[in-house]
Amino acid sequence: TQLLEQSPQFLSIQEGENLTVYCNSSSVFSSLQWYRQEPGEGPVLLVTVVTGGEVKKLKRLTFQFGDARKDSSLHITAAQPGDTGLYLCAGAGVTGGGNKLTFGTGTQLKVEL
Amino acid sequence: DTGVSQDPRHKITKRGQNVTFRCDPISEHNRLYWYRQTLGQGPEFLTYFQNEAQLEKSRLLSDRFSAERPKGSFSTLEIQRTEQGDSAMYLCASSLLQGPYGYTFGSGTRLTVV
Repeated sequence: TQLLEQSPQFLSIQEGENLTVYCNSSSVFSSLQWYRQEPGEGPVLLVTVVTGGEVKKLKRLTFQFGDARKDSSLHITAAQPGDTGLYLCAGAGVTGGGNKLTFGTGTQLKVEL
Repeated sequence: DTGVSQDPRHKITKRGQNVTFRCDPISEHNRLYWYRQTLGQGPEFLTYFQNEAQLEKSRLLSDRFSAERPKGSFSTLEIQRTEQGDSAMYLCASSLLQGPYGYTFGSGTRLTVV
């Protein structure tokens, strides 16, 4: 079973602060994705990383895939209240599985004014 | 294309009743997935289809759960003899067949068993 542990589980910060969310596993993934979910809605895809060591930027969000493709991080610069939500990492296995994703445990972020 | 649609958005049922949820994926997407999510946790895999074939079913899924995708289009998830532990958000997602493509999720069906 491929497990993805996210840390921290909860994060409450002030507007303008920076933060990093971590996603760790003992398994290797062929690709890893990050999603953001708001209450009562389905997760929305933010980014997909495929290559070990890959870094992608999406405005104030920076995503990194670990060299060994076992872990990833999400860094948010100058957080805003609109960044509030549940952040989920999700990995696709290397041994097939039909692109089935295993989701992480989630990080609940709250950004206050 | 309006994305992935799920119906109903909310369902309250009495313990022991059967419920059925519907998912309409993005039309070009060959793969359709069902996940279950409890509050503040990550989605948990239930089953997935490639076209009309159900290719994998989680071992966590009891025999009370069944899913279909006739003609490879919409899908239904049925829960028989519901239990309070079935209360959760049931999410449907679809994706393209090849490549590390992300999922497009529906808004989910919130099931409450009383």
